[in-house]
Amino acid sequence: RKEVEQDPGPFNVPEGATVAFNCTYSNSASQSFFWYRQDCRKEPKLLMSVYSSGNEDGRFTAQLNRASQYISLLIRDSKLSDSATYLCVVNGSMGGGADGLTFGKGTHLIIQP
Amino acid sequence: GAGVSQSPSNKVTEKGKDVELRCDPISGHTALYWYRQSLGQGLEFLIYFQGNSAPDKSGLPSDRFSAERTGGSVSTLTIQRTQQEDSAVYLCASGYRGEQPQHFGDGTRLSIL
Repeated sequence: RKEVEQDPGPFNVPEGATVAFNCTYSNSASQSFFWYRQDCRKEPKLLMSVYSSGNEDGRFTAQLNRASQYISLLIRDSKLSDSATYLCVVNGSMGGGADGLTFGKGTHLIIQP
Repeated sequence: GAGVSQSPSNKVTEKGKDVELRCDPISGHTALYWYRQSLGQGLEFLIYFQGNSAPDKSGLPSDRFSAERTGGSVSTLTIQRTQQEDSAVYLCASGYRGEQPQHFGDGTRLSIL
């Protein structure tokens, strides 16, 4: 089983719709979780951290389910500018460096007008 | 403030040549990562430096790849006897600690002819 798994998509979503995607991780000892966003031919940038109680930042909501070992990202009222690849990032997995972060391969989101 | 700086931004070289890529992390960041990203692919972890600890080299694909981090700051990634499959964007990221969010540089786009 891969350390961090994401559905690669693409998710084609009409503008204004709500979209959600999950990420599963294999290391139950993981403590830190993040969502990064990567635009085409650009470097990844931190979108938001994911806290145990769940957290919201504007139209974005992140949740953590430790029992099932997954995190989710929900985007409400999607905008054309939300089109990007969303990378799930988890700490403590092998392959990301000891105590370091492991990146999923990303979920490609396309918001259509 | 200054972010992670990588140079060169683009490098084109002939197969068999050696290349050296440079990363200047954010001042004070103890964690430094190298990744590579092939066209349309996810991030592939290469190597991780944390403070003065021995680096985690578990992601280096072959012995042609090596990296150094001098004085806990600037890092260089060296690829010897380059092959065409080495063509990719090489991304450097830094952070305060291994499990904290990473800040990425713009990457070096390496093309092997």
